[in-house]
Amino acid sequence: DAKTTQPNSMESNEEEPVHLPCNHSTISGTDYIHWYRQLPSQGPEYVIHGLTSNVNNRMASLAIAEDRKSSTLILHRATLRDAAVYYCILRDGGNTPLVFGKGTRLSVIA
Amino acid sequence: GAGVSQSPSNKVTEKGKDVELRCDPISGHTALYWYRQSLGQGLEFLIYFQGNSAPDKSGLPSDRFSAERTGGSVSTLTIQRTQQEDSAVYLCASSSNANRVSLFGSGTRLTVV
Repeated sequence: DAKTTQPNSMESNEEEPVHLPCNHSTISGTDYIHWYRQLPSQGPEYVIHGLTSNVNNRMASLAIAEDRKSSTLILHRATLRDAAVYYCILRDGGNTPLVFGKGTRLSVIA
Repeated sequence: GAGVSQSPSNKVTEKGKDVELRCDPISGHTALYWYRQSLGQGLEFLIYFQGNSAPDKSGLPSDRFSAERTGGSVSTLTIQRTQQEDSAVYLCASSSNANRVSLFGSGTRLTVV
């Protein structure tokens, strides 16, 4: 799988938007961009994924650069429950295993 | 069930004993994965089952580790002659061919004493 680069940690105030960046300069044309998060003492949880167009769901939005070499996960209003490690992962169009990097540890301050 | 179920949730075993960890994937999911996460570390892929194909065992750390998936559903991860370094949370996930979303269980916390 192609590699992604994320900041080690970020901090946000509660009820403010959070933009979590991810660089993936070696992405291939068939790689999907996936985001998962892991809350403390839990298994990873799917957040969102996309290929080329920006995506929205009830949890977050995914903004994908036109050249697809970077993307940004947007949490519109951070809550304390959003404190977690967020992983940006490239995956081909099949069901191949996710390859987790170190992710970004998001802290949310009340 | 509604999600991926793993049992037991916690297991304490003595060094040298064998352990079996169970995963019940979501019904109809053809892909099943095992990962482990040592304390404070990242998620490490272990093994991947896809339908009736031969499993991808490339992540298994040693020949003490093996896994089976019976009838395309339940999977068992077996660790023989456990060592202290095997202590970790073992996570199972499954996904369908219809989308590209992996759903994870809550994991089994294994402690080898």
